[in-house]
This record gives sequence, C-alpha cells and structure tokens, in this order.
Amino acid sequence: SAVISQKPSRDICQRGTSLTIQCQVDSQVTMMFWYRQQPGQSLTLIATANQGSEATYESGFVIDKFPISRPNLTFSTLTVSNMSPEDSSIYLCSVVWGRVPDTQYFGPGTRLTVL
Amino acid sequence: AQSVTQPDIHITVSEGASLELRCNYSYGATPYLFWYVQSPGQGLQLLLKYFSGDTLVQGIKGFEAEFKRSQSSFNLRKPSVHWSDAAEYFCAAFILTGGGNKLTFGTGTQLKVEL
Repeated sequence: SAVISQKPSRDICQRGTSLTIQCQVDSQVTMMFWYRQQPGQSLTLIATANQGSEATYESGFVIDKFPISRPNLTFSTLTVSNMSPEDSSIYLCSVVWGRVPDTQYFGPGTRLTVL
Repeated sequence: AQSVTQPDIHITVSEGASLELRCNYSYGATPYLFWYVQSPGQGLQLLLKYFSGDTLVQGIKGFEAEFKRSQSSFNLRKPSVHWSDAAEYFCAAFILTGGGNKLTFGTGTQLKVEL
C-alpha cells in the first residue's frame, strides 16, 4: 500500500521562530490536506493544499501564519510561522487518491512543542 | 450546522468484554462515514467506512459498524476487546458543501481496557 511520510516527526521550537513540515507520498494523489490536533482535542482542518496555486484555508486559519506549498502531486509543506506556545500541537498531513468523496489517509503526524 | 457527535469522551471496558462506541451525525443527506483509531503517539488509521449499500460494514482488527439512517447513527462495535485496542477512536463524516468537500471529525472517545 502507498506510504505517507512526514518530516520531522517531532520538534521543540522557541517562541517566535518558524518550522516547516514536509509531507511526502509515494504515489500521486488527488488531494492533500493539513490538520491540527491540539492536546487532548480532535482534528481541525487547517487548509486544502492545491497543486500550483494558493491553498484553501478554513475559517480561523490564515496564509501568513500557515503558509502551504504543493509543488506537485506527491509533496506538500506546511510552515508554522512566528510560533507561540499555543501552536503546540500535532500536525497531520492527509491525502485522497480518488475522486472526493473518498477515503482520506493520514500521515504519522508531526508533534510540535513551542517553548 | 452539520456535525458529528461522539457522546462518550471516555469508556473503560474489561479485556474480553464487548464494546460499542457511539457516533451520531446531523446532515440533510446520508454522509460518507468513517471510523479512525489513533494509538498513543501515532497517526490515524482507518478502521472502516460506509459509503452506501449494506448498512453493516466490517473493518480491520475485528471491528464492525452499523449505519442506521433512522437514528442518524454509525456506532462502532467489537465483540471481544483486546488490551491492544486501548486508543482514541474518531468518527468522521465527509461533507459535500457548496464551497468544497471536507472531512469533519467527532471529538473522539478514549478507550481504556482493563486487564
């Protein structure tokens, strides 16, 4: 079966810095998404990563804080900018291979701690 | 508003006992429904899904779920729980909206298994 990988798997960062998270899939996908899971919470959709164009952000999330790139059909990055302790979360990449609606598969997540 | 509800935040069962995790949704039409499991420090793994057809669906790890339109429910069941089933379980529904498509998650149910 196809593999979704994320780098880094975890990181501890200082307030005010930025971190870029990578999501790599070993086969072409139709759609890629980024989710946030705050401690003890459910998953919240940040944005849909669109190939070759600006991401589509959900209410409460903005491009300046969470810039996203998707240069091709197998790779995307999410940057968490100007971090604060409130950004401490697990960030998950998710993909769909077929036409939506279809099953979404998730990467292993990136656990971010901001001091 | 369209939503997914998991009424039980925590459930504790004894190993070998049966399990039922509740999930309710509120939509005008039948949504596409999923159950995911998240073990500590892990990403989300798909247990099973319902798109159409037979309302009783079988998944991995001995889990099954039944879609009941009259009750707007999609409860997850397992006849005999193993200690390794201890994890967080998320019900999710795919919403087809005018502005796009989105997977919406319930708040999750934390399962504890007593030996």
